[in-house]
Amino acid sequence: GDSVTQMEGPVTLSEEAFLTINCTYTATGYPSLFWYVQYPGEGLQLLLKATKADDKGSNKGFEATYRKETTSFHLEKGSVQVSDSAVYFCALKGGSQGNLIFGKGTKLSVKP
Amino acid sequence: EPEVTQTPSHQVTQMGQEVILRCVPISNHLYFYWYRQILGQKVEFLVSFYNNEISEKSEIFDDQFSVERPDGSNFTLKIRSTKLEDSAMYFCASSPIGGRGSGNTIYFGEGSWLTVV
Repeated sequence: GDSVTQMEGPVTLSEEAFLTINCTYTATGYPSLFWYVQYPGEGLQLLLKATKADDKGSNKGFEATYRKETTSFHLEKGSVQVSDSAVYFCALKGGSQGNLIFGKGTKLSVKP
Repeated sequence: EPEVTQTPSHQVTQMGQEVILRCVPISNHLYFYWYRQILGQKVEFLVSFYNNEISEKSEIFDDQFSVERPDGSNFTLKIRSTKLEDSAMYFCASSPIGGRGSGNTIYFGEGSWLTVV
């Protein structure tokens, strides 16, 4: 079945460092891809999405490009801030199912 | 900005008791969902609901669980005979349209923490 694999965390970075969180997927058909963020004590918020190959989603300085050839949707940010500390979830929708399939989440801690 | 709202934010219940978690989806949305996140684990799909019936459900969503849309605004998850392993954050979500292949965003509520003791 459809699945999402994220890099294991936790990831600890200093402020202004470059961030990459890897995400790869397995799906039939043409899924849409999402990054959700969960700040401490809060629910899931959509960060960005891409609905077809080569689309780039972006929001709040974060970017991810839908790469069909490598079945990847890696999250990147050029300069992280302490306020970016959260758990980041890669997810896909479509493929063989109509619901969201989540990765395990990657906890990011940014130190001042 | 419209949002999905959930109540209660936290509930503690005795093992074996029944729990009802409530949700108000975004008003013009047609698809409704429940997801679960056991502490430290991945977010798992439970069930989706459309046109007053279940459209998809996971293996987790067995006879212990049921969903209902009792009126035009609320969407509830009932858990009967709660077990310790039901302790988790339960997220309600909604989307304007859904179904397979849809790129529409699913919007999540802030979750209801259920602790079974």
